Amino acid sequence: GQQVQQSPASLVLQEGENAELQCNFSTSLNSMQWFYQRPGGSLVSLFYNPSGTKHSGRLTSTTVIKERRSSLHISSSQTTDSGTYLCALDTGNYKYVFGAGTRLKVIA
Amino acid sequence: DTTVKQNPRYKLARVGKPVNLICSQTMNHDTMYWYQKKPNQAPKLLLFYYDKILNREADTFEKFQSSRPNNSFCSLYIGSAGLEYSAMYLCASSRAGQGNERLFFGHGTKLSVL
Repeated sequence: GQQVQQSPASLVLQEGENAELQCNFSTSLNSMQWFYQRPGGSLVSLFYNPSGTKHSGRLTSTTVIKERRSSLHISSSQTTDSGTYLCALDTGNYKYVFGAGTRLKVIA
Repeated sequence: DTTVKQNPRYKLARVGKPVNLICSQTMNHDTMYWYQKKPNQAPKLLLFYYDKILNREADTFEKFQSSRPNNSFCSLYIGSAGLEYSAMYLCASSRAGQGNERLFFGHGTKLSVL
């Protein structure tokens, strides 16, 4: 079965609202990496998070290994946050397994 | 320079013809990856090089080849393209063993097979 389940598949927000994106995984974790891709752009790494909570501006990543989940919180969303967010499970052995992504649209 | 470069950005190929895609990075990363991405699907790992050692995924073993003539360059080769190969091909690189093995991606090559 799928090793990484990402939810929701898509999300529409009003500007200023917060968002919580989830990744659940069924296999062992070395770390979780979160990526952002604007339309037509390349994947850009937001966080490399093996466990605990990390912050970067309005973004917060939390990985809880024993619950097999990682989340990405976006606070006070802006229209420029629109795009696709992907999580990737680092299983060790140099391999990353991706989720299918969350397509976020923030409207003014 | 933290960029990964891929050429070409767009590629049109005929069924049954070979396809060669190119990737380069100047970050001295020891690991380079090729992923295939189709719309609304997760990127799928095809193969990766750790230094000079090629690792191919079992389910795509016979469909894709690769070479890495030096640390900076890596190619993806399809011997005979089929319609099912139409996808975005993403190259990525990372440096192993740092405790912060972020992946750096190129813009991708969109392959259309007709």
